[in-house]
Amino acid sequence: DVKVTQSSRYLVKRTGEKVFLECVQDMDHENMFWYRQDPGLGLRLIYFSYDVKMKEKGDIPEGYSVSREKKERFSLILESASTNQTSMYLCASSLTTGGGGYTFGSGTRLTVV
Amino acid sequence: RKEVEQDPGPFNVPEGATVAFNCTYSNSASQSFFWYRQDCRKEPKLLMSVYSSGNEDGRFTAQLNRASQYISLLIRDSKLSDSATYLCVVPSGGSYIPTFGRGTSLIVHP
Repeated sequence: DVKVTQSSRYLVKRTGEKVFLECVQDMDHENMFWYRQDPGLGLRLIYFSYDVKMKEKGDIPEGYSVSREKKERFSLILESASTNQTSMYLCASSLTTGGGGYTFGSGTRLTVV
Repeated sequence: RKEVEQDPGPFNVPEGATVAFNCTYSNSASQSFFWYRQDCRKEPKLLMSVYSSGNEDGRFTAQLNRASQYISLLIRDSKLSDSATYLCVVPSGGSYIPTFGRGTSLIVHP
């Protein structure tokens, strides 16, 4: 089975800190995604990447950046964390982009205080 | 009109009941549809694909109605373990990245 591993299950950071969320997949998937999930708002796409060093903005990229230096690793960066970035962050990878083969990591619950 | 709409529920049903959820979409060119299941405090996992001819997997049946632009998920003989949030996934209009619905919550009680 494809495994997507997110480095932290829970994180607490202070406002203004730079935050790195790491995601690693072990199945040589081309596509990787970062979502945030909030009650009542569902999954919202922040950024995705379809190849090493390639990235595309999703629906809510403001306040975030990403890095994909290696195929298996996709990092989400909060340049200056704010309280409205308190959320559950989910990483996913897939062989295709069609929506049927997404494997998600177990998520990182980030609290910004 | 939102790209993907789901009734958030919760749908509260007794064990053994049959329950159905719909997911409406706005992009008439959409080709691929899926249902994901998300347990409380867990990540979403693919439940099943939705084919034009329908798709059945045990107690679960997924159907596509192109004319009315919705997909459905039917669960027969509900189990306590079916309690979860069910997310539909449909292709977006302007990109090849699909959109997740906000999910429908199902609670199956004894």
